[in-house]
Amino acid sequence: DTEVTQTPKHLVMGMTNKKSLKCEQHMGHRAMYWYKQKAKKPPELMFVYSYEKLSINESVPSRFSPECPNSSLLNLHLHALQPEDSALYLCASSQQTGRRGGNTIYFGEGSWLTVV
Amino acid sequence: DAKTTQPNSMESNEEEPVHLPCNHSTISGTDYIHWYRQLPSQGPEYVIHGLTSNVNNRMASLAIAEDRKSSTLILHRATLRDAAVYYCILRELKTSYDKVIFGPGTSLSVIP
Repeated sequence: DTEVTQTPKHLVMGMTNKKSLKCEQHMGHRAMYWYKQKAKKPPELMFVYSYEKLSINESVPSRFSPECPNSSLLNLHLHALQPEDSALYLCASSQQTGRRGGNTIYFGEGSWLTVV
Repeated sequence: DAKTTQPNSMESNEEEPVHLPCNHSTISGTDYIHWYRQLPSQGPEYVIHGLTSNVNNRMASLAIAEDRKSSTLILHRATLRDAAVYYCILRELKTSYDKVIFGPGTSLSVIP
């Protein structure tokens, strides 16, 4: 099983709503990532979790709140978003071994978020 | 972080080989060279990676220059399904964190 599963595939939310994006992997990976991707742009790193602890926050606004409840799950809680936050949100995972640079990163298909 | 530069776009005829270049002149001795591609409306997918030697897999080949300052992803026979954005990424061999940064990539068009 080499899949990263993201739900929902599409989400429309108002600026006052609270919603969550979910990501799941069963490959035993201990590094998990959130990326944001705008149209015709490369993915931008948001957060990295390593062994269920937040290790990188790329100065992401606090209206985005990540959570890693266990080694297989990664959530992104959304609150008071702006229309410019509309984008594709990608989850990814990889092994955490000593030779991290050689490890493959597996991406999910993403969650398309529209903020109205 | 070491940076990569790639052409914005390239075009290829179907069933012909494609050579996608990547420059990484500030690469360190412990950086791996990774290639990912992103098909329309999908998440990125792994293509190939290498450290010093050329690499082959079922999808592609990776040719790494002797000084490691550049590399080339080779698709041996382009198909319409290979039309995608191709990203060349450097990843440190050992790091206490995994900061994987994408550059702009090369948008490959395949002409039937």
